[in-house]
Amino acid sequence: DAKTTQPPSMDCAEGRAANLPCNHSTISGNEYVYWYRQIHSQGPQYIIHGLKNNETNEMASLIITEDRKSSTLILPHATLRDTAVYYCIVRFPSGAGGTSYGKLTFGQGTILTVHP
Amino acid sequence: NAGVTQTPKFQVLKTGQSMTLQCAQDMNHNSMYWYRQDPGMGLRLIYYSASEGTTDKGEVPNGYNVSRLNKREFSLRLESAAPSQTSVYFCASSRAGGSNTGELFFGEGSRLTVL
Repeated sequence: DAKTTQPPSMDCAEGRAANLPCNHSTISGNEYVYWYRQIHSQGPQYIIHGLKNNETNEMASLIITEDRKSSTLILPHATLRDTAVYYCIVRFPSGAGGTSYGKLTFGQGTILTVHP
Repeated sequence: NAGVTQTPKFQVLKTGQSMTLQCAQDMNHNSMYWYRQDPGMGLRLIYYSASEGTTDKGEVPNGYNVSRLNKREFSLRLESAAPSQTSVYFCASSRAGGSNTGELFFGEGSRLTVL
């Protein structure tokens, strides 16, 4: 799986958009970009994932550059509850024999602090 | 929905003691995983089970054993606990099959201290 690079920490004002960058310059053609977050010491929570097109769901938007070497997670209106560690992960979705298993490799992530 | 349930949530052991962490999921997922997270670190994969009846080593398997008891349950055993195994342990599960899957659902964690 490709290695990712994220800033160690970021700040954001409540109500503003939080834009979290991720570099994955060694990503291969079939690898997806996943984002998870971990609030306090709870279990990580899935946010969004994508291959090459931009994606949006009820939680966030994912913007992947055309060369796929970087991406940005956007929380459109950050709240205090969005304060968490955000992990950008790049991996193949399926394992050998077509079985999909999530052997995610978590780095240190970005600590996002949302201020009032 | 319960999702992924781990027991116990907290445990203190003495060096050399053994224990089993239990994990159960009610989402009919085929794949299950055990991760550990040390303070200030990301998660590291210990063992995983791609499907019922199979288990494989992850990044840090030494000192652990696992059992995929059935489709719902995946247990992690420490045969002789060591202080280096003090950590928070997370169980996770995911669907299998398809080309656009991979979302993991995590439990709330089991906090283990080995004295």
